[in-house]
Parts: sequence; structure tokens; C-alpha cells
Amino acid sequence: NFMLTQPHSVSESPGKTVTISCTGSSGSIASNYVQWYQQRPGSAPTTVIYEDNQRPSGVPDRFSGSIDSSSNSASLTISGLKTEDEADYYCQSYDSSNLVVFGGGTKLTVL
Amino acid sequence: QVQLQESGPGLVKPSETLSLTCAVSGYSISSGYYWGWIRQPPGKGLEWIGSIYHSGSTYYNPSLKSRVTISVDTSKNQFSLKLSSVTAADTAVYYCARPTTLVGYFDYWGQGTLVTVSS
Repeated sequence: NFMLTQPHSVSESPGKTVTISCTGSSGSIASNYVQWYQQRPGSAPTTVIYEDNQRPSGVPDRFSGSIDSSSNSASLTISGLKTEDEADYYCQSYDSSNLVVFGGGTKLTVL
Repeated sequence: QVQLQESGPGLVKPSETLSLTCAVSGYSISSGYYWGWIRQPPGKGLEWIGSIYHSGSTYYNPSLKSRVTISVDTSKNQFSLKLSSVTAADTAVYYCARPTTLVGYFDYWGQGTLVTVSS
């Protein structure tokens, strides 16, 4: 079964840059697009990156996504951290049968 | 603006069937798109349950496939989830959401509804 692995938590100071990784268990993560969702407590997830590196309208350009085939991983980078960025972040992609797979989520603390 | 709203019982007894409906407004289901269900146990991560195409083709999480049925009612512009033989492990916030394509991202989400499995 294809799985996506994320660090359980990351923390960084306001104004700094943080990167959250999402590693595929098998195959090539580049074979299917990777999405990133932000979820604040008590709210539904919202998309911050889709199709590896695309930002929906309204998402600031402080958010960026990338793929590293050599490590079979995707990354979400948030620059100029703000306290409002504190949330859980989930990566999502698809397996070889086009079934949805979510990563376990990463709790971002901005302190 | 597309809006999704989940509804259904907030409490289900063990071994019974969980039934939820997602009402869609701002878009006609019969016009296209896939429609999906995702759940999140308290304090845990997101788990995809399954998706359905407007024509009725379904795709299920293999770990839940034997217990899940997703259906669509275009006349009511809604789609539904049934999960049978529930246990406490099925206690979660259940979200309905719309993926942009079968392999697309989920661009619209409902607010979520908490379903507790308990006697």
C-alpha cells in the first residue's frame, strides 16, 4: 500500500522559513500530483498547494510546493512565518489505482 | 459558490449502520465532478473513505470497502454515505468534499459533522 509520511511536528519562529516534508513509500511520488492542505482547529481543511506547486487564489506567495524525485518526497515551504500559519498541514496524493492517500499530518507551531 | 453540508445522526450504536447525507448547493451534481467522503477521528489525521462520480461510479478506500456504500441522488442534488457494522473506531468528524477530478485536489469541503459510536 502506498503511504505518505510526514514529520509529526515542526516549529519555527515568526519571520523565519519552515519546510514540511512528505515522503512516498514506494514508486515515484512524481507520478501523481501532490496537494497540501492547512487545517486550523475546529475547521475543515483548505488547500494551500495543489498539483505539486500551484497556489489557489487567495493563498499568499509565502506558501510554495516542490517535488524532489531523488528523495521521493514533496515539500511545503512557508516563508516569512506568521502566527496565523500555526495549524496542521496534510499532504495528499494518489496511489497507482487512483485512490486517495493522505499523509499523517504535521503540526506547525510558530513560536 | 459551491457549498456542501453534511447531515445525519450524531450518535450511532455499535454494530449499526452510520448514514450521512451531503447536500450540495451552487452546483448541479448531474453536471459532473466526483464527490467524496473523508473522516478524521478526534485528534488524528484525515482518512479518505471514498468518492463517487455523478454517474454513479464509485471508488473506495480498500481498508473500508467491505463496509462502505456511497450513492448519489441527482434529483435531490445530494450524495450519501453508509458505513455498516460500526465500532468505536469509526467515531470521527465526517467531511464531504469535492475533488476537482478523480485524481484532483479537494477544492470544496463541508464543515464536517461529528459522529460518535457508543451504546
